[in-house]
Formats: sequence, C-alpha cells, structure tokens
Amino acid sequence: LAKTTQPISMDSYEGQEVNITCSHNNIATNDYITWYQQFPSQGPRFIIQGYKTKVTNEVASLFIPADRKSSTLSLPRVSLSDTAVYYCLVGPTGTASKLTFGTGTRLQVTL
Amino acid sequence: EAGVVQSPRYKIIEKKQPVAFWCNPISGHNTLYWYLQNLGQGPELLIRYENEEAVDDSQLPKDRFSAERLKGVDSTLKIQPAELGDSAVYLCASSALAGVSHEQFFGPGTRLTVL
Repeated sequence: LAKTTQPISMDSYEGQEVNITCSHNNIATNDYITWYQQFPSQGPRFIIQGYKTKVTNEVASLFIPADRKSSTLSLPRVSLSDTAVYYCLVGPTGTASKLTFGTGTRLQVTL
Repeated sequence: EAGVVQSPRYKIIEKKQPVAFWCNPISGHNTLYWYLQNLGQGPELLIRYENEEAVDDSQLPKDRFSAERLKGVDSTLKIQPAELGDSAVYLCASSALAGVSHEQFFGPGTRLTVL
C-alpha cells in the first residue's frame, strides 16, 4: 500500500479557500486517492475520490497531477464547521480494497 | 435512511473483564469493517467481512479479540480479557459490494475505557 504524507495541522480563517496537499510517491497504477473528514466523537466521513486530473463535488475539489505522486484537496470558503481532521488515503478498489489511515491533517478554522 | 448503528456508545470496564461491541450496518451493505482508533491517530483496520466471511483479519489480535457476523448482517466484536492498552474508540463501517468506490460509512464508534 502506498504511504501518504500530509501536514499535521493547518489553520485558516473563515471564508478562505483551504488546500491540503498529500504526497504519495509510490502510488500504484491501480490505486485511487480518497479523502475523508472526521469531526470529534464521530466516525470518518467520505469526502471525495479520484484517479487523475480533477474531481469536484458539492463539498470539495480534488486535484491530481499527471504523475499522481501527490494530490490536493481544496475546500472553498471554509466555515467554522469545517474544523476537523482530514485524511488522505491511497489504495486499490474492488475486492482488494483496503484503506490505511494515517494521522491526518488537523484543520482549525477561526473567525 | 438509517446509518451504521453501534452500541454501546461508551463502555468502562476493569482490566481482565470481557467486553462486546455490536454493529448494525446500512441495509444492503455486504462489506463490514471493524476499526480501532487511538487518540490522535487514524483508524486502524481490525477485520473486514464480505457477507459472513472474514476476508481480512490479519490485524486482529486473535489471542484476545474475536468477531462474528453470523447472518451476514450485524456483527459483534469481543475482547476477552481486556487490557489497559485496549482503551480506544472502536469503529464499525460498512460499504456496498466492492466496486470502484472507497466510500465507507462509519458509525459513531464505541469509546472503551479499561481501568
């Protein structure tokens, strides 16, 4: 399984765009990139998943360069409620699907 | 639609006592996972079920931990006997039959404190 590296913590002001970058240098051809969000006292929640280029949904965008050795989760105009831990995960899907969570990035949003 | 249900939400026991956690996944989800999460760390997979079959239990400490999913629906995770180091949050998750999505739906977890 590909190892991921992401910042331990980030701070932002409400209304700003936040970009969290994850490094995964040994990503395999059949690996997908997935991001989860976790609030205190709750289980993680799926945010977005991608394989290459750009993926966008109602919550976030995921940017993946051509070499796929890194990815960036972009949260537009964050609010206080976006304060959480964000996990970057890399792995294959299908029957071999196995998610390995790291320590994540703790995002703190303030006024 | 109901999410993943776990009980109890909190459990305090003394070391060497047994403890059990229950999980009811989202209806129709064939895959069920048990994770352990220590404070400040990400979840770690303990066991994964595809229907009734445990397809990945390589991280489950089998000397004291056991799990079952007899009818392919709800599941129970047991620890016997519990040790101080077992204090953590135990998360259950479920997903639809393996496809191209990594989307797992997590329950709120059971916070275990071993005294």
